[in-house]
Amino acid sequence: GAVVSQHPSRVICKSGTSVKIECRSLDFQATTMFWYRQFPKQSLMLMATSNEGSKATYEQGVEKDKFLINHASLTLSTLTVTSAHPEDSSFYICSARGEDGATNEKLFFGSGTQLSVL
Amino acid sequence: KQEVTQIPAALSVPEGENLVLNCSFTDSAIYNLQWFRQDPGKGLTSLLLIQSSQREQTSGRLNASLDKSSGRSTLYIAASQPGDSATYLCAVYDGNQFYFGTGTSLTVIP
Repeated sequence: GAVVSQHPSRVICKSGTSVKIECRSLDFQATTMFWYRQFPKQSLMLMATSNEGSKATYEQGVEKDKFLINHASLTLSTLTVTSAHPEDSSFYICSARGEDGATNEKLFFGSGTQLSVL
Repeated sequence: KQEVTQIPAALSVPEGENLVLNCSFTDSAIYNLQWFRQDPGKGLTSLLLIQSSQREQTSGRLNASLDKSSGRSTLYIAASQPGDSATYLCAVYDGNQFYFGTGTSLTVIP
């Protein structure tokens, strides 16, 4: 089955630094990727939707300059948390949607990244 | 390793019927379980979140139950509507990562 690789799985950083999270579709081409975050004991919240080669669409309340999303190829999307602060500590997860008949109506998920900002 | 299974893979029902979707997981050491809805071409929508200490959660026509000891959860949809047609996913969270089921594709026939 289709696989989405997300890394790092866990990152601890100092306040003010930037952190990049990668999401790769390993065996299919992902036309669309989604980024979510989840606070403890809360549901996943969609942050943004990115299509290959175009700007990401951010959900209301998500700062575009804070969470930079790049989807430069059909197999890779990155989320960069710029100038991270403790309130950005959260669990981030990506999912990808393919473009062929076998994958274009399904979402495949990365295993998530736990970000802790000190 | 946690494995999450959803049965059935696809379900087609006439409008107005009540229905149950099933989710099972192999490791009972979970923090919570969530049910999601996926519409074609769109991202995930969280429907219900059940903490490991809870037995059920309700939202409108949806009711989700959790039996952690037996590794099972059900999503009950009452009085189904065509707008309920979508793929429904369950996911368990163990404190480190999510484990998702493969989903149940639901079609509600008008």
